[in-house]
Amino acid sequence: DIQLTQSPSFLSASVGDRVTITCRASQDINTYLAWYQQKPGKAPKLLIYAASTLQSGVPSRFSGSGSGTEFTLTISSLQPEDFATYYCQQLNSYPRTFGQGTKVEIK
Amino acid sequence: EVQLVQSGAEVKKPGESLKISCKASGYSFTSYWIGWVRQTPGKGLEWLGVIHPGDSDTRYSPSFQGQVTMSADKSITTAYLQWSSLKASDTGMYFCVGQLWIDYWGQGTLVTVSS
Repeated sequence: DIQLTQSPSFLSASVGDRVTITCRASQDINTYLAWYQQKPGKAPKLLIYAASTLQSGVPSRFSGSGSGTEFTLTISSLQPEDFATYYCQQLNSYPRTFGQGTKVEIK
Repeated sequence: EVQLVQSGAEVKKPGESLKISCKASGYSFTSYWIGWVRQTPGKGLEWLGVIHPGDSDTRYSPSFQGQVTMSADKSITTAYLQWSSLKASDTGMYFCVGQLWIDYWGQGTLVTVSS
């Protein structure tokens, strides 16, 4: 199985901050990576697919980059509605594993 | 509009059987894989496996092979996840995921197994 390691697991930030979350894969997954946002009691919401393609309707302050084994999700200016948990998922091969999550909380 | 609507929350005892459902609409049900994902506080998001409703081909995660069974009924565009003998460790939120041009998620079914 491909392992995904997210860092940090937790971050505390203020509205307006630039936030970067990293996801490292245990082997090359090309650009077969998605990023999700999840709020309590809800299903994960797709933000980014194919490592850097913004899903329709997602604000442009979200961006993704990377290929191979290292990927990043950046929020350029954190908004109150962005406080949530973020997950990466590899779509390169089955089983389609997830990172352990990054919880973004208000400082 | 693509929609995946899951069945309601379940409370069961260890050893009981259970079948939860995922009703798909808004796309060609037999053309795309449907996956299942479990979420628990301790282990986060775990991918269980996928089924292709067109021919019922299934791919299970090694961690869940033999623990759950996936099936699909083309006539009513519904996918299922079932257990023959539940354990307390099966407690969690279960999501179905339609693997179309992007992934579409159901709203989740909470399964609680407790004596």
